Amino acid sequence: AQRVTQPEKLLSVFKGAPVELKCNYSYSGSPELFWYVQYSRQRLQLLLRHISRESIKGFTADLNKGETSFHLKKPFAQEEDSAMYYCALPYPDSGGGADGLTFGKGTHLIIQP
Amino acid sequence: NAGVTQTPKFRVLKTGQSMTLLCAQDMNHEYMYWYRQDPGMGLRLIHYSVGEGTTAKGEVPDGYNVSRLKKQNFLLGLESAAPSQTSVYFCASRPYGREYKDTQYFGPGTRLTVL
Repeated sequence: AQRVTQPEKLLSVFKGAPVELKCNYSYSGSPELFWYVQYSRQRLQLLLRHISRESIKGFTADLNKGETSFHLKKPFAQEEDSAMYYCALPYPDSGGGADGLTFGKGTHLIIQP
Repeated sequence: NAGVTQTPKFRVLKTGQSMTLLCAQDMNHEYMYWYRQDPGMGLRLIHYSVGEGTTAKGEVPDGYNVSRLKKQNFLLGLESAAPSQTSVYFCASRPYGREYKDTQYFGPGTRLTVL
């Protein structure tokens, strides 16, 4: 069965320091992975997807199939990056195409001034 | 354009009581989902719907029923609430198409406590 593991419940770094939020997965087949973010008092929203290989708000994530990882990185943290971050993976396609998502437990990122 | 809205925002129930959570979206999305999030856990899929009049079970469907009588609404029912159903419930929707698989639009959540 598919599974997403985020080993860190809480990650605290100083402003300007590099950030790496860890995500490991188990999935049979070719995985699609995403990062969602929830800022304080806001809704859960998509941050980035691995297939687009783009940088959003300075964050990047590379899919490493050998290590089954999809870590989220940013070279210089900013205070506005403080939020809950969730790594997500689709459920296996039921055939109807309406895949829900499996989420990790989330990592609370705190950027200290 | 309100996006995805959920009613109510908070609710406290006694064991055995029933209730219905309403999710509404104004984006004409085909697919809708109900998730629950327990403390310290990720979101888990309860039920989903691929269109008006259709529903399907997700990962944790027991104790819940759903209905999608109108395209814009997705209802989640608890017939006999149990303390184990204390959770935050999130509704989400997305457009039709595999290319939108990851782009789910979430509601603000409903915090349910069952005593």
